[in-house]
Amino acid sequence: DVKVTQSSRYLVKRTGEKVFLECVQDMDHENMFWYRQDPGLGLRLIYFSYDVKMKEKGDIPEGYSVSREKKERFSLILESASTNQTSMYLCASSLDNTEAFFGQGTRLTVV
Amino acid sequence: AQKVTQAQTEISVVEKEDVTLDCVYETRDTTYYLFWYKQPPSGELVFLIRRNSFDEQNEISGRYSWNFQKSTSSFNFTITASQVVDSAVYFCALSEISGDMRFGAGTRLTVKP
Repeated sequence: DVKVTQSSRYLVKRTGEKVFLECVQDMDHENMFWYRQDPGLGLRLIYFSYDVKMKEKGDIPEGYSVSREKKERFSLILESASTNQTSMYLCASSLDNTEAFFGQGTRLTVV
Repeated sequence: AQKVTQAQTEISVVEKEDVTLDCVYETRDTTYYLFWYKQPPSGELVFLIRRNSFDEQNEISGRYSWNFQKSTSSFNFTITASQVVDSAVYFCALSEISGDMRFGAGTRLTVKP
């Protein structure tokens, strides 16, 4: 079974902190994604990566950056966390244009 | 970038009713892929179906069926004889040839006994 693992299930950070959300997949997928999920807004794409060191901005990249140094790992970085970044963050991976497999999600609260 | 619209925010039906969830999309690509996912109350996203833009055949899987119409840029999902276990948020998504996948806002379906 494909497994996508996010490093934390719940996270509480203070405003202004630098936050790292880590995601690892074990199926050699080229594509990896970071989404945030907010009620009524669905899943909004933050960043997409189609290969090591390659990234594309999604619909809401402001305030975020990403890193993909190894194929299996895709990190989301909040340079200076703000309260409006309180959300559920979902990592996913996929092979070509097949279905995406999702991690369990990280619920981030910024206080 | 592509766009997916799910105009129905919430739907409530009584068990055994049929229900259709609408999905309309926009893309400039001629090759693209459409998906439906289910997110039950437990939170995990469950993949339901994937169709490519060259295959407009309708698909049926048990009580689920999907109607893909390129002429109206729609990919609607019907649940026949709904059950309480169908209660969930359903997401439609579109992936262009580049591989990036975008989702609609989701439709929350409540099936009452």
